[in-house]
Amino acid sequence: AQTVTQSQPEMSVQEAETVTLSCTYDTSESNYYLFWYKQPPSRQMILVIRQEAYKQQNATENRFSVNFQKAAKSFSLKISDSQLGDTAMYFCAFMTAVGGTSYGKLTFGQGTILTVHP
Amino acid sequence: ETGVTQTPRHLVMGMTNKKSLKCEQHLGHNAMYWYKQSAKKPLELMFVYNFKEQTENNSVPSRFSPECPNSSHLFLHLHTLQPEDSALYLCASSQARGLGGELFFGEGSRLTVL
Repeated sequence: AQTVTQSQPEMSVQEAETVTLSCTYDTSESNYYLFWYKQPPSRQMILVIRQEAYKQQNATENRFSVNFQKAAKSFSLKISDSQLGDTAMYFCAFMTAVGGTSYGKLTFGQGTILTVHP
Repeated sequence: ETGVTQTPRHLVMGMTNKKSLKCEQHLGHNAMYWYKQSAKKPLELMFVYNFKEQTENNSVPSRFSPECPNSSHLFLHLHTLQPEDSALYLCASSQARGLGGELFFGEGSRLTVL
């Protein structure tokens, strides 16, 4: 079974500073993807960043980057130059194939509430 | 405008009622998902459909009955629910073309069971 653990229920950061959200996962799969999703107070989940497990290079998307440590099964998210609009619940998620198919389903962590203060 | 639309946004029902949640996606995707989001718990996958065929049922109680009449619409029929079923129910869709495809989520239906 796949599990995803986010050990920080809540985090806060000052505007323009950098914050790192932690995530660890457990799996026996060799082919998988890792995601960070953001859920603002309006509740729609939005993809932040995605990482393929077989790629050693860490994914980056503008101010968002990940530190993917495959051997340690760690997948942290770094947000640089934090903005007020980054305030949201952040979910780490692990994608494996839906049984007998070639497409995926997500297993989520518990989430981390991030508050950016002015 | 979101590509995945869920209605109603809020629903209050008694334990003996029958109601339905509706999800519609305008993205041309062929896989659709129901997730349950309860307070202080990870999102739980309930059902997955691909081209109207159910491909995963994550041991969901029979009081939840999904229906997928076509690849754009997904329903969750609810009957004789329990108070612990109160949660945010999220619908998602994906292109279902290889592993790694993004799931697009709706805003959710907030269900309260009295």
